[in-house]
Amino acid sequence: AQSVAQPEDQVNVAEGNPLTVKCTYSVSGNPYLFWYVQYPNRGLQFLLKYITGDNLVKGSYGFEAEFNKSQTSFHLKKPSALVSDSALYFCAVRDNRGADGLTFGKGTHLIIQP
Amino acid sequence: NAGVTQTPKFQVLKTGQSMTLQCAQDMNHEYMSWYRQDPGMGLRLIHYSVGAGITDQGEVPNGYNVSRSTTEDFPLRLLSAAPSQTSVYFCASSRLFSETQYFGPGTRLLVL
Repeated sequence: AQSVAQPEDQVNVAEGNPLTVKCTYSVSGNPYLFWYVQYPNRGLQFLLKYITGDNLVKGSYGFEAEFNKSQTSFHLKKPSALVSDSALYFCAVRDNRGADGLTFGKGTHLIIQP
Repeated sequence: NAGVTQTPKFQVLKTGQSMTLQCAQDMNHEYMSWYRQDPGMGLRLIHYSVGAGITDQGEVPNGYNVSRSTTEDFPLRLLSAAPSQTSVYFCASSRLFSETQYFGPGTRLLVL
């Protein structure tokens, strides 16, 4: 069975500072890893994904994530936070061997303070 | 190109009532799925389909039925609604063996 852990319910960062939202995963095969963002009363928007290749993945709105196979982690990062980055962030994993849906973490509220 | 659409946006039901949540996509995606989102629990997979005529259960299928008669549509049926089914429901689609799922705007369901 596949699983995702987001250890922080909430992350607070001052505007202009770097941010990190943590994610660890567990799958039987090779992982497909994703980050999605959800703004209030909206659906989920795709940010970035890791399938294969370079461990550092760049995505939308200046976000990036680093795949670390030995630590089974896929942390989301941004060098300089904006107030508009405040939202709910979900990490998700999918086993590359099956047709199952995504397994999501519980989500992390990111709050950027002016 | 509307992407993934869901109707209704909001619904109130009484316990025991039935209803169907509609989901449609115009991207010719083969893979479609239904999730429910509850506070502090992330999104949990209810049912999914890898093509017309093929459906399978996800993590939390009890109390829900699905069918897939066309590539475009994937309705979710609640046969006898219960308060525990109060949630926000999201439909998603992707190309089979592709990885990025596209989500609809969601249906907020309240069961009294």
